[in-house]
Amino acid sequence: GDSVTQTEGPVTLSEGTSLTVNCSYETKQYPTLFWYVQYPGEGPQLLFKVPKANEKGSNRGFEATYNKEATSFHLQKASVQESDSAVYYCALGDRTGGLSGKLTFGEGTQVTVIS
Amino acid sequence: GPKVLQIPSHQIIDMGQMVTLNCDPVSNHLYFYWYKQILGQQMEFLVNFYNGKVMEKSKLFKDQFSVERPDGSYFTLKIQPTALEDSAVYFCASSSDWGGARRQNTLYFGAGTRLSVL
Repeated sequence: GDSVTQTEGPVTLSEGTSLTVNCSYETKQYPTLFWYVQYPGEGPQLLFKVPKANEKGSNRGFEATYNKEATSFHLQKASVQESDSAVYYCALGDRTGGLSGKLTFGEGTQVTVIS
Repeated sequence: GPKVLQIPSHQIIDMGQMVTLNCDPVSNHLYFYWYKQILGQQMEFLVNFYNGKVMEKSKLFKDQFSVERPDGSYFTLKIQPTALEDSAVYFCASSSDWGGARRQNTLYFGAGTRLSVL
């Protein structure tokens, strides 16, 4: 079946430094890839999604490129802020059977940014 | 942005009892989902629901589980009877269309209900 593996947390970094959260996936299909973010006390919310290989998604300074050859979708941000402290989830949606809203999530990476 | 509300945020229950988890989805959404997250593990799909029917369920959706949304009220997940392994955070989500990859629609998640079965 489908699977998603991401950087094991927790990750702690200083404000102004760069962030990379690695995400690798396995699937026999042609998925859309997602990054969700969960702030304390809230539900996961979509950060961005990329439906096609070799394309890049971005939002709020975060970006990730859908690398089909490497089966990766690493999340990056050049300069983090305290407000970026959250849990980040990588996920894939199966395109062929993918009308069901059935997403496969990674375990999530807790990111804490300190000033 | 659109909000999904889940009630209660934490529920403690004795093994064998029944529990109902409530979800108030985004007002104009028609597609509903439950996901389960055991502590330290991934969120996993349980079930989706549309037009009064379960469209798809995973192997985690045991016979003791049921979902309904009577008369456009709360979308509920009922577990009867509960077991120790049902302890987890349950996330409800909704979307305006199928949230699958092809249609590229967004799932809106609630903050979850933490269920503790003793």
